[in-house]
Amino acid sequence: KAGVTQTPRYLIKTRGQQVTLSCSPISGHRSVSWYQQTPGQGLQFLFEYFSETQRNKGNFPGRFSGRQFSNSRSEMNVSTLELGDSALYLCASSLAPPQETQYFGPGTRLLVL
Amino acid sequence: DQQVKQNSPSLSVQEGRISILNCDYTNSMFDYFLWYKKYPAEGPTFLISISSIKDKNEDGRFTVFLNKSAKHLSLHIVPSQPGDSAVYFCAASRAGGTSYGKLTFGQGTILTVHP
Repeated sequence: KAGVTQTPRYLIKTRGQQVTLSCSPISGHRSVSWYQQTPGQGLQFLFEYFSETQRNKGNFPGRFSGRQFSNSRSEMNVSTLELGDSALYLCASSLAPPQETQYFGPGTRLLVL
Repeated sequence: DQQVKQNSPSLSVQEGRISILNCDYTNSMFDYFLWYKKYPAEGPTFLISISSIKDKNEDGRFTVFLNKSAKHLSLHIVPSQPGDSAVYFCAASRAGGTSYGKLTFGQGTILTVHP
C-alpha cells in the first residue's frame, strides 16, 4: 500500500505571497492531520479533517487554512506569508481517530524570504 | 504549557547495548501514546504505540512501557544498531471531543548508536 504523499517537497516563497500544499493519504484513510515543525517550537498541530469537515484546529492564526476533498486528499493554504512561516509542513493520515495511529508523509519544506 | 516532555535532548549508546528513551506527560486525559523515529527533513516514521489500558507493548527490538501513576513512558531498543541513530519523538493523544486527530509531541531525543 502506498504511503502518504505530499507535494511539493520544497518551496521558496517571498513575504506576502500565499502557498498551497497538497497531501494524499494512505488509501482507505479518511482522517488527515497537518503539523508544522520548526526548530524552536517542535511539532505543532495545525488542524484535522475527516469526511471533508474540519474537526479540530490548533493555535494558529487564520492565515492558515485547509480543506479536504471527497477522495480524502487534503490541501492546506497559508496566506500573506511571514518569515516565521518557514518550516517543515507534515501531513499524517489515519483510518479514523481516536486511538488510530497516524502515518506521516515526507513533508514540504517551505522557505519564506 | 508543554504537556509532553522529553527531558534528555540526546543519548549516546554503544552498538548491541540497550537504548532507553524517556518521556513524561502532564495531561491525565491522554490515553494513547506513540513513538516515532525521524531523520532530518523527513516525516516521522511510526515505531510502536501503547494504549493506556496496557503497561507494556513489544514489537521486535522495540518495547514501550507505560507507568500511568507516574505519567511516564519509555522506549527500550534492544539491541541497539547504528541504523537506529535518529531523533525519537514521543507523542500522546486523547479520544474524541476537541482532540480529534491531534497528537501532542515531545521535543525529541537525538539517539546516536556508536559501532
